[in-house]
Amino acid sequence: GEKVEQHESTLSVREGDSAVINCTYTDTASSYFPWYKQEAGKSLHFVIDIRSNVDRKQSQRLIVLLDKKAKRFSLHITATQPEDSAIYFCAASLNSNNRIFFGDGTQLVVKP
Amino acid sequence: AQTIHQWPVAEIKAVGSPLSLGCTIKGKSSPNLYWYWQATGGTLQQLFYSITVGQVESVVQLNLSASRPKDDQFILSTEKLLLSHSGFYLCAWGGQTSNERLFFGHGTKLSVL
Repeated sequence: GEKVEQHESTLSVREGDSAVINCTYTDTASSYFPWYKQEAGKSLHFVIDIRSNVDRKQSQRLIVLLDKKAKRFSLHITATQPEDSAIYFCAASLNSNNRIFFGDGTQLVVKP
Repeated sequence: AQTIHQWPVAEIKAVGSPLSLGCTIKGKSSPNLYWYWQATGGTLQQLFYSITVGQVESVVQLNLSASRPKDDQFILSTEKLLLSHSGFYLCAWGGQTSNERLFFGHGTKLSVL
């Protein structure tokens, strides 16, 4: 089955710098790649996603890149702010079943 | 607007006792429903999903069961809790396929002692 690996378990950046979180997946049939944010003690909420028919998507300070050949996707947060500090989870899913596979999460710390 | 309500917010239970967690989704017809488990500071493990009333698919065996008695309700339960059941349980709803974003409830923190 699909396996999603999130390469950075922790990431520390200075406020205003960019942060990049990288994920890889194994199943070439995966076609949907969402990202979720979990603040301390809270649930997850959706931040951005990308589908396999595009290789780049931007929403304000968030950019997602998808490299299907390398089976890799990444979340770029530009001009980081302290409120960006949280755990970020990448995920991958196929359209053919109801399995959604999550990475292990990356703890992002934005230092003022 | 769609809302998802999960209950209870937190539970402290004894090993061997029964458990029932629930979530209700309002404002969305026939959503796909999901149960996830998160160990403290850990990754998310999908437990169950349901695409329609009365149909629940198990993803992993953790001595838990799930039911969908109504279109807008998803229940997670067990008759006998284990220490390993401790963690954070998240209910989520999504669209008709898994290629759509998930909306998570606020979660239930379960401590088994």
